[in-house]
Amino acid sequence: DGGITQSPKYLFRKEGQNVTLSCEQNLNHDAMYWYRQDPGQGLRLIYYSQIVNDFQKGDIAEGYSVSREKKESFPLTVTSAQKNPTAFYLCASTSGLQGFNIQYFGAGTRLSVL
Amino acid sequence: KNEVEQSPQNLTAQEGEFITINCSYSVGISALHWLQQHPGGGIVSLFMLSSGKKKHGRLIATINIQEKHSSLHITASHPRDSAVYICAVQRYYGGSQGNLIFGKGTKLSVKP
Repeated sequence: DGGITQSPKYLFRKEGQNVTLSCEQNLNHDAMYWYRQDPGQGLRLIYYSQIVNDFQKGDIAEGYSVSREKKESFPLTVTSAQKNPTAFYLCASTSGLQGFNIQYFGAGTRLSVL
Repeated sequence: KNEVEQSPQNLTAQEGEFITINCSYSVGISALHWLQQHPGGGIVSLFMLSSGKKKHGRLIATINIQEKHSSLHITASHPRDSAVYICAVQRYYGGSQGNLIFGKGTKLSVKP
């Protein structure tokens, strides 16, 4: 079945540590997105990529980095510069322009700080 | 003020009730999405609208572009409908497409 796979489901980060969240899709979608969700807040865009080897900052990119070396993969690294990383992270993809296509979401990764 | 406002924030209903969730937005848009987030966190896209009305099973979504308002209705609600429902809009300005802007969500609990 086609879909988006995020791993791990739960992740713990120590102070000063970088951690990487995985997002893989087999939908052959061009565009992929990373969102952060905090309690009582709407999803906020961290980074997005419309095409392989290209990505753009979203509204809250500071302290995060991404890569898009393959069409199916869009990993997100939470760096030590992100001072408040505890949140629920969602990866999504669409086949074209974000607003005109259904967004497919992964199951999410819950990141906590030890 | 948030660009996308949902009401109510929380909603408790008895099984079988008709439910309405509202979404108002303050920007020009080219499309509006309704999403469903289950307790485990996964999100499913329910509808994408640019005008009028769409129906899927017991779910109905409407949009009034002039009033900048959309509603999601659930007929004959069931406990399995319990979830967070999220409204998101695709901003449109100056001929270019912006990314989605999300509401904070409406938490629905349907009691048996």
